[in-house]
Amino acid sequence: DAGVTQSPTHLIKTRGQQVTLRCSPKSGHDTVSWYQQALGQGPQFIFQYYEEEERQRGNFPDRFSGHQFPNYSSELNVNALLLGDSALYLCASSLAPGAKETQYFGPGTRLLVL
Amino acid sequence: KNQVEQSPQSLIILEGKNCTLQCNYTVSPFSNLRWYKQDTGRGPVSLTIMTFSENTKSNGRYTATLDADTKQSSLHITASQLSDSASYICVVSASGGSYIPTFGRGTSLIVHP
Repeated sequence: DAGVTQSPTHLIKTRGQQVTLRCSPKSGHDTVSWYQQALGQGPQFIFQYYEEEERQRGNFPDRFSGHQFPNYSSELNVNALLLGDSALYLCASSLAPGAKETQYFGPGTRLLVL
Repeated sequence: KNQVEQSPQSLIILEGKNCTLQCNYTVSPFSNLRWYKQDTGRGPVSLTIMTFSENTKSNGRYTATLDADTKQSSLHITASQLSDSASYICVVSASGGSYIPTFGRGTSLIVHP
């Protein structure tokens, strides 16, 4: 049983560009959350998708958007990249939305913005 | 504002020794508190979860405690192993309609042989 997978593993972009990151949840999970983890910091919640809709959103600008597909996989899109967007982007899946559900994290995509 | 503070920021111990990591939080209303282990270059892995009514939870050599009155938690690691070298993150979730969890910055633990 594959766990949470993310692609690509690493990515280098320049300021102003756009990027799309992908996540496949653990088998049987229908809820996907995205996090940004800057170097030396804890993860920051970006948003959560359930039933193909954004259910919760953290304190991130509209440049960060997402999508969930019928097979529960998800994409994170970031427009007009800034140097400060350089971070590890983590995807986590769970059986359902809600604070009591255990989240399983993927290995992350490391994004470097030059 | 919901906050989670962890201490120490980093810790170095010898293999076989015990250690205790601390977490203080101001998240309200409280739903649950989790400890995660994050190996370098990997995603976090859940170690324990505690709700308001639980004051201790064990997972092998890891034992977490929770004092909901003082809003403090600790993670005790017994007989440390080299593989325990990682970042340990405390995460607190609020109850109610908002799922959004609050993560601490983590404690970086290095276990030396």
